[in-house]
This record gives sequence, structure tokens and C-alpha cells, in this order.
Amino acid sequence: GENVEQHPSTLSVQEGDSAVIKCTYSDSASNYFPWYKQELGKRPQLIIDIRSNVGEKKDQRIAVTLNKTAKHFSLHITETQPEDSAVYFCAASDTGGFKTIFGAGTRLFVKA
Amino acid sequence: ETGVTQTPRHLVMGMTNKKSLKCEQHLGHNAMYWYKQSAKKPLELMFVYNFKEQTENNSVPSRFSPECPNSSHLFLHLHTLQPEDSALYLCASSQVGTGDNQPQHFGDGTRLSIL
Repeated sequence: GENVEQHPSTLSVQEGDSAVIKCTYSDSASNYFPWYKQELGKRPQLIIDIRSNVGEKKDQRIAVTLNKTAKHFSLHITETQPEDSAVYFCAASDTGGFKTIFGAGTRLFVKA
Repeated sequence: ETGVTQTPRHLVMGMTNKKSLKCEQHLGHNAMYWYKQSAKKPLELMFVYNFKEQTENNSVPSRFSPECPNSSHLFLHLHTLQPEDSALYLCASSQVGTGDNQPQHFGDGTRLSIL
């Protein structure tokens, strides 16, 4: 079946450094790729998303890139801060929007 | 943000009990979802409702029974659960059918523990 692979499962960086999380998807029909941040004990919240007609999107310190040919997309966080520490999930969704497949998550630690 | 509200936040129950989880969304969305979140595993989609009709049931055991009386409310009825069903159960909603995918909005979840 369709799946989304996410790496790494754990990432530890020094405050101010950059963090990169990578995902690959299997379903060619996927055309929408949201990223969620889940802080400890809280709900997953959307932080950025990208659609298949765009190769890159940026929002302040967060950027996402998409390579449709390789079925690969990545989250880039620059100038990391301790409050960026959380679990990040990538996801891939088809046109209908019903079937969203999530990656296993990346636990990001930002050390002060 | 109070767009998607789940109750209760925590639930402890025995394997022979019957309980229900409730989800309510105030965002005017037309689709609602139940997910199971276990430690070190991806979010697992359990059920999807679109316009109150169930459109997805990912081989979930019959001891989990969903109910969607209207587009704003979603229930998950539980009975005869197993210890491996202990997890965080997340509800989400989204707007579908607009021709442009929209993100899902999550509730805070119900932390379920089976004794």
C-alpha cells in the first residue's frame, strides 16, 4: 500500500544551526504535502504545506522543497531555537484529500 | 485554538467496559477523521467521514465503532478493548471537495489506557 518514509527519526542540533527532515512517498497521485509540528502533550499543528505545482515554499525560518520526479520532499528549519523542539510529521495527500498518509515523525531537539 | 474539541482528555477503562469518545468541530468543515497515535508509530488513519458518510475504514477491529450524526460531531464507541488499544486517539476535520487540498485540523486527543 501507499506509505511515507521519514528520516531521521531523531535529530539533535545546536541552537542557531539548521535542521533538515526528509520524506519520500510512494503514491504518484499524491499532490499535497503538509508538515505538522506536535509539541509534547499537544495536538499536531500545520506549520507549512506545499502543492505539487510548486517546487519550493518559504515562510520565515521554515522552507519546504518538493521533487515530484524523485517523490521526495524536505523540511528545512534555519536558525533553530529551543522552542522548535518538537515532533515533526510529514504527510502526503491525494486529490480528494481524504487519504492523508503520515510519516513516522522526527523528534527534533534544539540544544541551547 | 478551539476549532476541534475532544472529550474526554483522558480515559482509563477495563477491557469489559463500554465508553465513547466525542469530537466536535466548529470550523464548518465537511470531513472528519479518527486517528490512532501510538508511541514510535506513524499516525494511523482509522475512519473518515465525508458529509456524514463513512468513506474509509482502514481494517479497524469491530470493537471500535464510529458514529457521525452530523458534519460537526463524531463519536468513537469502544467496547471489549485490548491492552494494545492504549494510545492517543486524535480527531481531525478538513474541508474537502473544493478542488484544492486543505490541511486537517486536529483536536487535543483522548489519552486512552486499557487496564
